[in-house]
Amino acid sequence: DAGVTQSPTHLIKTRGQHVTLRCSPISGHKSVSWYQQVLGQGPQFIFQYYEKEERGRGNFPDRFSARQFPNYSSELNVNALLLGDSALYLCASSLAATGELFFGEGSRLTVL
Amino acid sequence: EDQVTQSPEALRLQEGESSSLNCSYTVSGLRGLFWYRQDPGKGPEFLFTLYSAGEEKEKERLKATLTKKESFLHITAPKPEDSATYLCALAGYGSNSGYALNFGKGTSLLVTP
Repeated sequence: DAGVTQSPTHLIKTRGQHVTLRCSPISGHKSVSWYQQVLGQGPQFIFQYYEKEERGRGNFPDRFSARQFPNYSSELNVNALLLGDSALYLCASSLAATGELFFGEGSRLTVL
Repeated sequence: EDQVTQSPEALRLQEGESSSLNCSYTVSGLRGLFWYRQDPGKGPEFLFTLYSAGEEKEKERLKATLTKKESFLHITAPKPEDSATYLCALAGYGSNSGYALNFGKGTSLLVTP
Protein backbone atom coordinates (compact mmCIF):
# COMPACT_ATOMS: atom_id res chain seq x y z
CA ASP A 1 0.00 0.00 0.00
CA ALA A 2 1.19 3.50 -0.76
CA GLY A 3 2.24 5.58 2.20
CA VAL A 4 1.77 9.32 2.62
CA THR A 5 3.10 11.12 -0.44
CA GLN A 6 4.25 14.72 -0.49
CA SER A 7 5.25 17.03 -3.30
CA PRO A 8 7.51 18.65 -4.15
CA THR A 9 10.31 16.94 -2.22
CA HIS A 10 12.65 19.92 -2.47
CA LEU A 11 12.12 23.53 -3.48
CA ILE A 12 13.93 26.83 -3.34
CA LYS A 13 12.09 30.15 -3.08
CA THR A 14 13.06 33.76 -2.45
CA ARG A 15 11.78 36.01 0.30
CA GLY A 16 8.30 37.38 -0.33
CA GLN A 17 7.25 34.56 -2.65
CA HIS A 18 4.41 32.13 -2.07
CA VAL A 19 4.60 28.32 -1.83
CA THR A 20 2.06 25.48 -2.04
CA LEU A 21 2.90 22.06 -0.64
CA ARG A 22 0.76 19.02 -1.40
CA CYS A 23 -0.02 15.84 0.49
CA SER A 24 -1.87 12.63 -0.33
CA PRO A 25 -2.81 10.57 2.73
CA ILE A 26 -2.86 6.81 3.06
CA SER A 27 -5.99 5.38 1.47
CA GLY A 28 -8.81 5.33 4.03
CA HIS A 29 -7.24 7.93 6.29
CA LYS A 30 -9.51 10.90 6.86
CA SER A 31 -7.24 13.14 8.93
CA VAL A 32 -4.23 15.10 7.72
CA SER A 33 -1.84 17.09 9.90
CA TRP A 34 0.99 19.43 8.96
CA TYR A 35 4.19 19.93 10.95
CA GLN A 36 7.25 22.13 10.48
CA GLN A 37 10.66 20.73 11.44
CA VAL A 38 13.67 23.00 11.68
CA LEU A 39 17.09 21.34 11.70
CA GLY A 40 17.94 19.95 15.12
CA GLN A 41 14.43 20.42 16.51
CA GLY A 42 11.37 18.24 16.85
CA PRO A 43 8.40 18.77 14.54
CA GLN A 44 6.12 21.69 15.41
CA PHE A 45 2.36 21.45 14.85
CA ILE A 46 0.83 23.72 12.21
CA PHE A 47 -2.64 22.37 11.30
CA GLN A 48 -4.89 19.36 11.64
CA TYR A 49 -7.81 18.59 9.34
CA TYR A 50 -10.39 15.86 9.79
CA GLU A 51 -13.21 15.19 7.36
CA LYS A 52 -12.31 18.41 5.52
CA GLU A 53 -12.73 20.61 8.57
CA GLU A 54 -9.95 22.36 10.47
CA ARG A 55 -9.67 20.68 13.88
CA GLY A 56 -6.60 22.43 15.20
CA ARG A 57 -4.18 25.23 14.48
CA GLY A 58 -0.73 25.74 15.98
CA ASN A 59 1.04 28.95 16.86
CA PHE A 60 1.87 30.07 13.32
CA PRO A 61 1.12 33.43 11.64
CA ASP A 62 -1.80 33.94 9.26
CA ARG A 63 0.64 33.65 6.35
CA PHE A 64 0.19 29.91 6.83
CA SER A 65 -3.06 28.37 5.59
CA ALA A 66 -4.24 24.92 4.60
CA ARG A 67 -7.20 23.03 3.30
CA GLN A 68 -8.37 19.46 2.84
CA PHE A 69 -10.14 18.34 -0.31
CA PRO A 70 -13.06 15.89 -0.74
CA ASN A 71 -10.58 13.09 -1.57
CA TYR A 72 -8.82 13.87 1.76
CA SER A 73 -5.66 15.20 0.12
CA SER A 74 -4.38 18.47 1.51
CA GLU A 75 -2.47 21.61 0.63
CA LEU A 76 -0.36 23.86 2.84
CA ASN A 77 0.10 27.40 1.61
CA VAL A 78 2.65 29.89 2.90
CA ASN A 79 2.55 33.52 1.74
CA ALA A 80 5.19 36.24 1.96
CA LEU A 81 8.00 33.79 2.68
CA LEU A 82 10.63 34.70 5.25
CA LEU A 83 14.11 33.26 5.67
CA GLY A 84 12.89 31.65 8.90
CA ASP A 85 10.34 29.58 6.97
CA SER A 86 13.18 27.39 5.68
CA ALA A 87 12.43 23.95 7.10
CA LEU A 88 11.21 20.43 6.41
CA TYR A 89 7.42 20.45 6.12
CA LEU A 90 5.92 17.15 7.15
CA CYS A 91 2.46 15.88 6.35
CA ALA A 92 0.96 13.05 8.37
CA SER A 93 -2.25 11.11 8.00
CA SER A 94 -4.31 9.05 10.43
CA LEU A 95 -7.56 7.12 10.38
CA ALA A 96 -9.16 9.58 12.77
CA ALA A 97 -7.98 12.67 14.60
CA THR A 98 -5.51 10.84 16.85
CA GLY A 99 -1.82 11.00 17.66
CA GLU A 100 -0.86 7.78 15.86
CA LEU A 101 0.38 9.49 12.76
CA PHE A 102 1.88 8.18 9.55
CA PHE A 103 4.32 10.73 8.18
CA GLY A 104 5.45 11.38 4.65
CA GLU A 105 9.09 12.08 3.86
CA GLY A 106 8.49 15.81 3.81
CA SER A 107 9.01 18.79 1.55
CA ARG A 108 12.34 20.55 2.12
CA LEU A 109 11.82 24.30 1.65
CA THR A 110 14.76 26.67 1.37
CA VAL A 111 14.06 30.41 1.36
CA LEU A 112 16.86 32.63 0.05
CA GLU B 1 1.84 25.24 29.17
CA ASP B 2 2.56 21.63 28.16
CA GLN B 3 6.28 20.85 27.97
CA VAL B 4 8.42 17.94 26.78
CA THR B 5 12.14 17.59 27.56
CA GLN B 6 14.23 14.73 26.23
CA SER B 7 17.60 13.57 27.53
CA PRO B 8 20.29 12.93 26.66
CA GLU B 9 20.51 14.94 23.42
CA ALA B 10 22.86 12.33 21.97
CA LEU B 11 23.84 8.83 23.02
CA ARG B 12 26.49 6.51 21.64
CA LEU B 13 26.26 2.82 22.48
CA GLN B 14 28.18 -0.25 21.51
CA GLU B 15 26.20 -3.05 19.94
CA GLY B 16 24.59 -5.06 22.75
CA GLU B 17 24.94 -2.28 25.36
CA SER B 18 21.46 -1.65 26.78
CA SER B 19 20.35 1.84 27.84
CA SER B 20 17.35 4.12 28.37
CA LEU B 21 16.19 7.38 26.86
CA ASN B 22 14.25 9.82 29.02
CA CYS B 23 11.27 12.03 28.27
CA SER B 24 10.14 14.38 31.05
CA TYR B 25 6.83 16.13 30.63
CA THR B 26 4.36 18.51 32.20
CA VAL B 27 0.75 18.56 31.05
CA SER B 28 -2.56 19.72 32.47
CA GLY B 29 -4.35 16.59 31.29
CA LEU B 30 -2.66 13.73 29.44
CA ARG B 31 -4.32 12.57 26.28
CA GLY B 32 -1.42 10.40 25.16
CA LEU B 33 2.39 10.10 25.21
CA PHE B 34 3.93 8.99 21.92
CA TRP B 35 7.30 7.70 20.80
CA TYR B 36 8.50 8.06 17.22
CA ARG B 37 11.70 7.10 15.44
CA GLN B 38 13.17 9.34 12.75
CA ASP B 39 15.92 8.34 10.31
CA PRO B 40 17.95 11.07 8.56
CA GLY B 41 16.04 12.66 5.69
CA LYS B 42 12.83 10.77 6.54
CA GLY B 43 9.59 11.52 8.32
CA PRO B 44 9.04 10.17 11.85
CA GLU B 45 7.82 6.58 12.22
CA PHE B 46 5.27 5.78 14.93
CA LEU B 47 6.46 3.37 17.64
CA PHE B 48 4.22 3.50 20.72
CA THR B 49 1.33 5.24 22.44
CA LEU B 50 1.01 5.30 26.24
CA TYR B 51 -2.12 6.64 27.93
CA SER B 52 -1.74 6.25 31.67
CA ALA B 53 0.91 5.90 34.37
CA GLY B 54 2.10 2.34 34.78
CA GLU B 55 1.43 1.40 31.19
CA GLU B 56 4.18 -0.40 29.22
CA LYS B 57 4.49 -1.30 25.54
CA GLU B 58 7.11 -3.49 23.84
CA LYS B 59 8.29 -4.00 20.29
CA GLU B 60 11.35 -6.09 19.49
CA ARG B 61 14.28 -4.52 21.40
CA LEU B 62 12.29 -1.46 22.51
CA LYS B 63 10.14 -1.04 25.60
CA ALA B 64 8.33 2.17 26.55
CA THR B 65 7.14 2.94 30.07
CA LEU B 66 5.16 5.82 31.58
CA THR B 67 4.95 7.51 34.97
CA LYS B 68 3.09 10.69 35.90
CA LYS B 69 6.14 12.81 35.09
CA GLU B 70 8.35 10.77 32.75
CA SER B 71 8.46 8.22 30.02
CA PHE B 72 11.40 5.96 29.30
CA LEU B 73 12.35 4.19 26.10
CA HIS B 74 14.46 1.19 27.06
CA ILE B 75 16.65 -0.31 24.35
CA THR B 76 17.84 -3.85 25.07
CA ALA B 77 20.91 -5.24 23.27
CA PRO B 78 20.77 -2.61 20.51
CA LYS B 79 21.99 -3.23 16.97
CA PRO B 80 23.48 -0.70 14.51
CA GLU B 81 20.13 -0.55 12.68
CA ASP B 82 18.59 0.97 15.83
CA SER B 83 20.63 4.13 15.16
CA ALA B 84 18.17 7.01 14.66
CA THR B 85 16.67 10.00 16.41
CA TYR B 86 13.97 9.04 18.91
CA LEU B 87 11.25 11.60 19.44
CA CYS B 88 8.84 11.84 22.36
CA ALA B 89 5.56 13.68 21.82
CA LEU B 90 2.73 14.73 24.08
CA ALA B 91 -0.94 15.33 23.44
CA GLY B 92 -2.83 17.12 26.18
CA TYR B 93 -6.39 18.17 26.85
CA GLY B 94 -7.20 21.76 27.52
CA SER B 95 -6.17 23.36 24.25
CA ASN B 96 -8.22 24.05 21.18
CA SER B 97 -5.55 22.66 18.89
CA GLY B 98 -7.30 19.42 17.99
CA TYR B 99 -5.04 16.43 18.50
CA ALA B 100 -1.81 18.42 18.23
CA LEU B 101 1.40 16.63 19.16
CA ASN B 102 3.98 18.60 21.13
CA PHE B 103 7.35 17.04 20.23
CA GLY B 104 10.58 17.11 22.18
CA LYS B 105 13.89 17.83 20.44
CA GLY B 106 14.76 14.16 20.32
CA THR B 107 17.64 11.91 21.34
CA SER B 108 20.09 11.04 18.60
CA LEU B 109 21.19 7.43 19.11
CA LEU B 110 24.26 5.93 17.46
CA VAL B 111 24.94 2.21 17.90
CA THR B 112 28.39 1.09 16.79
CA PRO B 113 29.37 -2.50 15.90
